[in-house]
Amino acid sequence: GAGVSQSPSNKVTEKGKDVELRCDPISGHTALYWYRQRLGQGLEFLIYFQGNSAPDKSGLPSDRFSAERTGESVSTLTIQRTQQEDSAVYLCASSLRQINNEQFFGPGTRLTVL
Amino acid sequence: GENVEQHPSTLSVQEGDSAVIKCTYSDSASNYFPWYKQELGKRPQLIIDIRSNVGEKKDQRIAVTLNKTAKHFSLHITETQPEDSAVYFCAASYASGGSYIPTFGRGTSLIVHP
Repeated sequence: GAGVSQSPSNKVTEKGKDVELRCDPISGHTALYWYRQRLGQGLEFLIYFQGNSAPDKSGLPSDRFSAERTGESVSTLTIQRTQQEDSAVYLCASSLRQINNEQFFGPGTRLTVL
Repeated sequence: GENVEQHPSTLSVQEGDSAVIKCTYSDSASNYFPWYKQELGKRPQLIIDIRSNVGEKKDQRIAVTLNKTAKHFSLHITETQPEDSAVYFCAASYASGGSYIPTFGRGTSLIVHP
């Protein structure tokens, strides 16, 4: 079946603009995660959803970052007033259950803030 | 929250040699430890995982060991091949408000020379 998809694959924006990143999880996966990966760095947890609620938002770096999820489907990560340090690959992952199940990653969105 | 340290950051071996990557974690409540492989320009993929009630798990050339007392776990790759070249991430799942969030290590870049 189809894997996790993300769009756009690449996004170039100017400093100060807002961006919206989209994630389509695997159908039936209740848990959805967002990560940030800077060049040559590890995976930085941002937020996860169980269904359409977000029990843990502790990884969001600032109030410019927000995310929402519609039911147990599409999620969007919004970054307002982008800064150059927001440049990174944003990865989405989904899993069948939130606890201790394999995470399936999307291809990521490469965000470049000029 | 959890803190995961991963070493080494870079590992260079000759084809056929063994490779060992080590991770330590801080939260004794963590009970699920997956390893992900990320090839250049591709998404991370789960290669093996271990749960806290198991000390060792093996899958062909890959094995993972867990020492809960010392709070460390390791990935062992035997008879390395050039296609094993990738970045490997360990993770420890910790409890957050009744749910579990994976904390990733910073990654190990494994280079297998033919």
